[in-house]
Amino acid sequence: AQSVAQPEDQVNVAEGNPLTVKCTYSVSGNPYLFWYVQYPNRGLQFLLKYITGDNLVKGSYGFEAEFNKSQTSFHLKKPSALVSDSALYFCAVRDMGATDSWGKLQFGAGTQVVVTP
Amino acid sequence: GAVVSQHPSWVICKSGTSVKIECRSLDFQATTMFWYRQFPKQSLMLMATSNEGSKATYEQGVEKDKFLINHASLTLSTLTVTSAHPEDSSFYICSARVRLAGASYEQYFGPGTRLTVT
Repeated sequence: AQSVAQPEDQVNVAEGNPLTVKCTYSVSGNPYLFWYVQYPNRGLQFLLKYITGDNLVKGSYGFEAEFNKSQTSFHLKKPSALVSDSALYFCAVRDMGATDSWGKLQFGAGTQVVVTP
Repeated sequence: GAVVSQHPSWVICKSGTSVKIECRSLDFQATTMFWYRQFPKQSLMLMATSNEGSKATYEQGVEKDKFLINHASLTLSTLTVTSAHPEDSSFYICSARVRLAGASYEQYFGPGTRLTVT
């Protein structure tokens, strides 16, 4: 079975400082990993994904994430946070080794990011 | 880019009535659509997977007679909450999946529908 853990309910960072949102996963096969952002009362916006290839993935709005197979992690990072980055961030995994997954996405619990001016 | 729309964006209904939520893929065909619900400050919980032309597959604990899903065409799936009760109040999000070259998929999310049952 696949699972995703986001160990931090909330991350607070000052504007201009680096931002990191942690994510670890567990799958039986190869993982497809995703990060989404959600603003209040809105649907999910895609940020980036890892399927294969370079472990460092660059995405939208200056975000990037690093796939670490040995640590089963896929942490989201941004070198310099903006106040407008304040939102709810979800990590998700699709287990390509699961035969009954239908390609379903498993979401983490979400991490609220608060960027202060 | 691929766009998924939902209608309505918010709805208030009285307890005991039924509410239908539409999910449309606007510029692509989606053989598979997913319905999620999200409680405040919580993650998305998958309710069901619907494939065009066949019955939906419901996740464990989701009442299929209460949450009726119809995937009538490659661009439209509907979720009907029957005999709604206040505990059904939630944010419902649909997602449409499209197959890309090879065996990979891309999944696009709708903006969500806020349901409030009074």
